[in-house]
Amino acid sequence: DTAVSQTPKYLVTQMGNDKSIKCEQNLGHDTMYWYKQDSKKFLKIMFSYNNKELIINETVPNRFSPKSPDKAHLNLHINSLELGDSAVYFCASSQFSDHYGYTFGSGTRLTVV
Amino acid sequence: QKEVEQNSGPLSAPEGAIASLNCTYSDRGSQSFFWYRQYSGKSPELIMFIYSNGDKEDGRFTAQLNKASQYVSLLIRDSQPSDSATYLCAVEDNDMRFGAGTRLTVKP
Repeated sequence: DTAVSQTPKYLVTQMGNDKSIKCEQNLGHDTMYWYKQDSKKFLKIMFSYNNKELIINETVPNRFSPKSPDKAHLNLHINSLELGDSAVYFCASSQFSDHYGYTFGSGTRLTVV
Repeated sequence: QKEVEQNSGPLSAPEGAIASLNCTYSDRGSQSFFWYRQYSGKSPELIMFIYSNGDKEDGRFTAQLNKASQYVSLLIRDSQPSDSATYLCAVEDNDMRFGAGTRLTVKP
């Protein structure tokens, strides 16, 4: 199936831990994104990568770092997790020049306890 | 800060009625506008995009854009209970900026 896939779907961890979320797309898109959706369901962009280059970095704590080994993968590493990091994290991809919208992964629900 | 504003609702419509969802945006230079549907516990799903002033129809959905008023709307004709979801308006500049979403409930 052509898709954006994320793993894991659920992640429960203790404060202070370091964790990673993986994302892969097989749509041939050249740009990938990470979004955070908080408890109020507001979707906010965190990062985007275009052809392995970071092109947007919002005011996200430097505990969060995106890593892209190739244009089909964009992983999210989070260090020293805090309670406020609990949210659903969505990966998405697009063909940057097309403006046809983004395809989202199924999300990773992160709970920090 | 470029913003996208939506009425959070909830918006209720009887089955078979027309549901109207509205959105305003702050950046007058924006060119690309999108509507996503998000069911509870699921990921956002693109349902329509519109670039030009006027209406764009796709099945039961019609997107309307008025750049002078910086206003985008989505009409859902013959609303069905399966349309009950949160509808997210989004504006694309260098990236996709989302509104907070409007929760729609269609009652049988």
